[in-house]
Amino acid sequence: SAVISQKPSRDICQRGTSLTIQCQVDSQVTMMFWYRQQPGQSLTLIATANQGSEATYESGFVIDKFPISRPNLTFSTLTVSNMSPEDSSIYLCSVLPPTSPETQYFGPGTRLLVL
Amino acid sequence: SQKIEQNSEALNIQEGKTATLTCNYTNYSPAYLQWYRQDPGRGPVFLLLIRENEKEKRKERLKVTFDTTLKQSLFHITASQPADSATYLCALGSAGNMLTFGGGTRLMVKP
Repeated sequence: SAVISQKPSRDICQRGTSLTIQCQVDSQVTMMFWYRQQPGQSLTLIATANQGSEATYESGFVIDKFPISRPNLTFSTLTVSNMSPEDSSIYLCSVLPPTSPETQYFGPGTRLLVL
Repeated sequence: SQKIEQNSEALNIQEGKTATLTCNYTNYSPAYLQWYRQDPGRGPVFLLLIRENEKEKRKERLKVTFDTTLKQSLFHITASQPADSATYLCALGSAGNMLTFGGGTRLMVKP
């Protein structure tokens, strides 16, 4: 298994500002993902964070809006840029540990409210 | 387009009964299917994985079935307890270990 922490756990932000969310894993993992979960909805994959190269974004998500860093095998950040109220959501990171490559382990999430 | 359907209405059952949740999918040929539990304010927690060539899998009070002809999975919790109350998500997995999640079903077990 893997233990994942996220910072901040929640935040309230003003429209037009940016927020960077951190994801820290207690072991080295190759695959790390960022999801969004809007109120009452399921999880939508934003991107796969690749170590040493640019993230791979899903349809509907772009790097300018959601820049991602992955400096090493235990850490990643997701920035939500130029926020609007529509970005209010829970943002979750997840990993695929090498010992169980089909099972995703999720962080506790970051609850974001944009006013 | 790919579609995963879970009953969006909450399922209310009495403690001790068996809860059965449904996951249907279309336009998808998953290599495996997973079920996750999500409590309010928390990330999903993995429960069970079943592969396309498996019909049934069990883990303690949990049982999952997978019918690739019907394109359906059923998730059962026997002898349900109030602590089982949560939202349950099904997720389909394909090559590259990418997951696509259903909308989840909220289960309420009443004492």
